[in-house]
Amino acid sequence: LAKTTQPISMDSYEGQEVNITCSHNNIATNDYITWYQQFPSQGPRFIIQGYKTKVTNEVASLFIPADRKSSTLSLPRVSLSDTAVYYCLVGSLSGSARQLTFGSGTQLTVLP
Amino acid sequence: DARVTQTPRHKVTEMGQEVTMRCQPILGHNTVFWYRQTMMQGLELLAYFRNRAPLDDSGMPKDRFSAEMPDATLATLKIQPSEPRDSAVYFCASGLGLRSTNEKLFFGSGTQLSVL
Repeated sequence: LAKTTQPISMDSYEGQEVNITCSHNNIATNDYITWYQQFPSQGPRFIIQGYKTKVTNEVASLFIPADRKSSTLSLPRVSLSDTAVYYCLVGSLSGSARQLTFGSGTQLTVLP
Repeated sequence: DARVTQTPRHKVTEMGQEVTMRCQPILGHNTVFWYRQTMMQGLELLAYFRNRAPLDDSGMPKDRFSAEMPDATLATLKIQPSEPRDSAVYFCASGLGLRSTNEKLFFGSGTQLSVL
């Protein structure tokens, strides 16, 4: 089971780029890396997913080095509305749903 | 805009009462997950269904919790009898399940349960 480690919290200011790194040293060959965002009183929302190198969508970018033991979620030019908890999830359903267990997440606070 | 629907949004009950939470997964999704979220434990996986069959419910206290999918449009999570320690937000999520390696989950808004 790939355990993930993220910073508990981060602060940033509006307009800055924010990078949140997740460590997953024992990631398995078949595992994908997925990031979710959660606002208070809402369920987590899928942001981005990747397997290796770089993935970009309209919301964020995901950087994954060659060894895949870590990944970095990059949020360009954050706004106050990006204040949320961000979860890194590593795993697949090929073995057990236990591999889709969320870690503690990173509380991102964007300041004016 | 397709979404996972959970009812009720809020539930307050007394200890010992039965609680039933319902979830309507996104049409066409064949995997359903139940999670519980508390401040202390974060998001805990309780149960997982694929094509309505329970594949993993090892996260649930078996003596009081039960999860079922009577049909493809309804998943239920029951607690009987409920206890104060069951107070939490319960989330349902669904996914396409087309590939086991990169499942993307779509979450409902949750049921906020308070057991007094």
